[in-house]
Amino acid sequence: DGGITQSPKYLFRKEGQNVTLSCEQNLNHDAMYWYRQDPGQGLRLIYYSQIVNDFQKGDIAEGYSVSREKKESFPLTVTSAQKNPTAFYLCASSITETRTYEQYFGPGTRLTVT
Amino acid sequence: QKEVEQNSGPLSVPEGAIASLNCTYSDRVSQSFFWYRQYSGKSPELIMSIYSNGDKEDGRFTAQLNKASQYVSLLIRDSQPSDSATYLCAVKDTGRRALTFGSGTRLQVQP
Repeated sequence: DGGITQSPKYLFRKEGQNVTLSCEQNLNHDAMYWYRQDPGQGLRLIYYSQIVNDFQKGDIAEGYSVSREKKESFPLTVTSAQKNPTAFYLCASSITETRTYEQYFGPGTRLTVT
Repeated sequence: QKEVEQNSGPLSVPEGAIASLNCTYSDRVSQSFFWYRQYSGKSPELIMSIYSNGDKEDGRFTAQLNKASQYVSLLIRDSQPSDSATYLCAVKDTGRRALTFGSGTRLQVQP
């Protein structure tokens, strides 16, 4: 089965701790994305990557970091510098060569920091 | 900052009616537009993409695009209670390979 997996589904951390969210895809998509969603709001872009070993900041990158060492994987680290880390985090991927830009989402990780 | 605007709703329609969801966008050179459905507590699911002016139909869904008016809409015919969800409009950014999302319209279909 092809798809995008995110783990864990729920994550609880204490303030001041870094935490890494996993995102893996077996769709052979080149591009991967991380979004954050707060209650009642749309998705805001954190980071995106079009190719292995390259990534760009999105609109709200402060306090986050990413890596793209493998095509299948795009982990997101929420650092202690992120002021309001509690949110629903969504990973997505897309094909780039067709230029349709359709993005497909994983199930998400709900992070709670207290 | 490019903007995508949607009425937050809720939009309430009776079962069997047509639901009409609207979205406006600020970047007049945008070329690619998407509608996602998001059930409460779940991730967004792509239901329609549209790239050319006019209508695009897929089953009970019709996407309508008017680039001159910077307006994209989604019609859902024969609405069912299972269509109750938040519908997100997304627009492909010019200058980067990413999407900008609206905040979504919550649709309630009353049995």
